[in-house]
Amino acid sequence: GEDVEQSLFLSVREGDSSVINCTYTDSSSTYLYWYKQEPGAGLQLLTYIFSNMDMKQDQRLTVLLNKKDKHLSLRIADTQTGDSAIYFCAESMGGGGNKLTFGTGTQLKVEL
Amino acid sequence: EAGVAQSPRYKIIEKRQSVAFWCNPISGHATLYWYQQILGQGPKLLIQFQNNGVVDDSQLPKDRFSAERLKGVDSTLKIQPAKLEDSAVYLCASSLYRGGFQETQYFGPGTRLLVL
Repeated sequence: GEDVEQSLFLSVREGDSSVINCTYTDSSSTYLYWYKQEPGAGLQLLTYIFSNMDMKQDQRLTVLLNKKDKHLSLRIADTQTGDSAIYFCAESMGGGGNKLTFGTGTQLKVEL
Repeated sequence: EAGVAQSPRYKIIEKRQSVAFWCNPISGHATLYWYQQILGQGPKLLIQFQNNGVVDDSQLPKDRFSAERLKGVDSTLKIQPAKLEDSAVYLCASSLYRGGFQETQYFGPGTRLLVL
């Protein structure tokens, strides 16, 4: 079955790096995503990684994928107060089905 | 480019009443999704449409929930009758069908439902 797990809460100081972790169980997942949700808003896609990649970097964001351990992480460099939000990882088979299975979300709090 | 539009943004009803939510996807997006997000949880897919056909409705409680996308554009999700546990945010998303490749889903702001 499909199951995606995340730690519930992370607190960091402004300017530090944040690392949000995610584990998933479906080894046939093709794409893995990170979404950001601010209070009262929908989900905003931050980045995604194809399952045959180990790493993807996009400005302040670095995604690491360990397919053997089914572990995904999102590193945010130089974390700012505007990064405070809930972060969801999600997995998908891609293609015509493309159903997203989301984790429980990690609430990131950035303190001054 | 306009994003995914949803209405209403908030709705409060009593249990056993009916409610309907509306979604207008991004222009040209063939695939439309409805997700339910209960407080403190990640979104869960209820139903996925490809144009006006249903691709996946395996997690839709069909005894009370229904959805349609008659002309392959706008969609309506209905709950009849509502239960207390239906209190959640209902998110609509759309994607551009790319025939087997990665498809980014774009989400609307959601409709927040409270059932009393």
